[in-house]
Amino acid sequence: EVQLVESGGQLVQPGTSLRLSCVASGFTFGDFTMHWVRQPPGKGLEWVSYISWNSGKTGYADSVKGRFTVSRDNAKNSLFLRMDSLRPDDTAFYYCAKGSESGPEFDHWGQGTLVTVSS
Amino acid sequence: SYELTQPPSVSVSPGQVARITCSGDALPKKYAYWYQQKSGQAPVLVIYDDSKRPSGIAERFSGSSSGTRATLTITGAQMEDEADYYCYSTDISGDYRVFGGGTRLTVL
Repeated sequence: EVQLVESGGQLVQPGTSLRLSCVASGFTFGDFTMHWVRQPPGKGLEWVSYISWNSGKTGYADSVKGRFTVSRDNAKNSLFLRMDSLRPDDTAFYYCAKGSESGPEFDHWGQGTLVTVSS
Repeated sequence: SYELTQPPSVSVSPGQVARITCSGDALPKKYAYWYQQKSGQAPVLVIYDDSKRPSGIAERFSGSSSGTRATLTITGAQMEDEADYYCYSTDISGDYRVFGGGTRLTVL
């Protein structure tokens, strides 16, 4: 069974940094593109970032480009999101999602971790 | 950037056909995907590659795409289908991913 478990979410002040982690199990992690998707409480989904299976390609939403950095450690079945210069509008549940075998979509999601940016 | 546009809400009576649309300039060349999200839960993929249904998804869910518009159809909507539905796709390059704003389906 595919499992994705996010951690690292917390209350932080504007302008600070935070690192989220996602530990995967139940599939060959190193074979798949992975994504981060976020959802502000009570609002819609926003794709944040992706990283290819070998870290050779990454992509970011315009809203986070230059502030967030995605990385992975295939030996530890782990995905990361480094978030710098955090702003109040970054407040959201952050989901780790597994890419599908052949397309750009996600076929499994974690339960999310909440990041709150507030003074 | 790139945008997908959905109606904020759709309302139907039980047993009726519910249609949720998604408009985007790249949809003639890029597949649309649909996610269902019930309150307090992670999203679930209900349609991929415009019209394919993942295993375990009820047959009443179907998808289609024509020109710049993709459509999710629920034939014989049930109370359990009440949820937020999001379309998802990429821009023409295939590299930039985007969700539509979401459509709240009410079945009552």
